[in-house]
Amino acid sequence: AQSVTQPDIHITVSEGASLELRCNYSYGATPYLFWYVQSPGQGLQLLLKYFSGDTLVQGIKGFEAEFKRSQSSFNLRKPSVHWSDAAEYFCAVGAGAGNNRKLIWGLGTSLAVNP
Amino acid sequence: KAGVTQTPRYLIKTRGQQVTLSCSPISGHRSVSWYQQTPGQGLQFLFEYFSETQRNKGNFPGRFSGRQFSNSRSEMNVSTLELGDSALYLCASTPRENTEAFFGQGTRLTVV
Repeated sequence: AQSVTQPDIHITVSEGASLELRCNYSYGATPYLFWYVQSPGQGLQLLLKYFSGDTLVQGIKGFEAEFKRSQSSFNLRKPSVHWSDAAEYFCAVGAGAGNNRKLIWGLGTSLAVNP
Repeated sequence: KAGVTQTPRYLIKTRGQQVTLSCSPISGHRSVSWYQQTPGQGLQFLFEYFSETQRNKGNFPGRFSGRQFSNSRSEMNVSTLELGDSALYLCASTPRENTEAFFGQGTRLTVV
């Protein structure tokens, strides 16, 4: 079955520290992969996406992610976290095609940033 | 270009009532999807509409329905509300097949 796992429910980092949020997926074909961020009471904002090509993708707000097919992973990284990065982060896989197309989501990782 | 607009932002309904939520996609986007977000279940796919036709449906009971109009605006309806329907309902629009989805701010539905 298609699934997305975000192993870390909650992460706390200090401002200025580096960050890595993990995402593992289970999908038979080549996936479309996404990271979204959600601030409290808000919708989801796309951070970055991977469709094909270079496995290291750059996103907004200084985030990047690396697609590793052998590990079925798409981990999100940021070299230096800012207090405004505190939010919920969701990894998603675009699964299916045509009339079966949909996004499958991880349960999210809540990021807290200490000053 | 305006983003995805969902109305209303907040709703409080009583068990057994029905509710209609509205979503206006980004101009030019023909695909609209709906998701339910709850703390316990996370984000779950409800359905997708494209050119006024439901193209895909998630595993939700028939009380959840939707439609899309010729201008791509979409509505979803939940009948006979249950306490468990309390959630944030998110709408997303997509410009083309297999591209990223753009989300609205959601409608927070509370069933009491």
